[in-house]
Amino acid sequence: QAQLVESGGGLVKPGGSLRLSCAASGFTFSDSYMTWIRQAPGKGLEWLSYITSRGTTIYYADSVKGRFTISRDNAKNSLYLQMNSLRAEDTAVYYCARFRYDYVWGSYRLDDAFDVWGQGTMVTVSS
Amino acid sequence: QSVLTQPPSVSGAPGQRVTISCTGTSSNFGGNYDAHWYQQLPGTAPKLLIYGNINRPSGVPDRFSGSKSGTSASLAITGLQAEDEAVYYCQSYDSSLRGSWVFGGGTKLTVL
Repeated sequence: QAQLVESGGGLVKPGGSLRLSCAASGFTFSDSYMTWIRQAPGKGLEWLSYITSRGTTIYYADSVKGRFTISRDNAKNSLYLQMNSLRAEDTAVYYCARFRYDYVWGSYRLDDAFDVWGQGTMVTVSS
Repeated sequence: QSVLTQPPSVSGAPGQRVTISCTGTSSNFGGNYDAHWYQQLPGTAPKLLIYGNINRPSGVPDRFSGSKSGTSASLAITGLQAEDEAVYYCQSYDSSLRGSWVFGGGTKLTVL
């Protein structure tokens, strides 16, 4: 079945960088739209970034724009999140998630759901 | 402050029915964008529970149902069970910022 596995989290100092990876299996990753979502300790969910199947359209939340970069390697079935200039408020569990494909409409819709989630990887930004 | 507003907590006894509300604005639910619901059990990743306002993914019990009207959406859980104790999040797309997906702040369901 469809599965996503994040890796790359850890402890990093303020101002530092980290690259998260998300390995996909059990579905055609190269056809899938993907997102990154995070959850600060004890807090709710925050959408961060979106990328279409070929990487031609990318969006970021204002909170990470200019600091984070989403990318993908379809040959490796992998999604990435490069995080630079990290701040204490970036401390969170980071999830990758798949955008749901609407088989009735035969397309992706911007207002659709995230139907497959990884288990998350923890990022701690602290000196 | 979340774009979508949910009550912080709800509770109910086993077997009872509970509802969780999610209030949005004209730039998300009111703009005819769909509501989705996720269940997050303690220590686990969120799981899609309801999509497209009313649809359940395969494997989700029919005790869970969703609805949407105007700028609000609701999740109803009937026949409450102990394993339903979790945090529930609503989610939608918001057109106020190009390419922006928003969540509610989450509602903690306690089964008494």
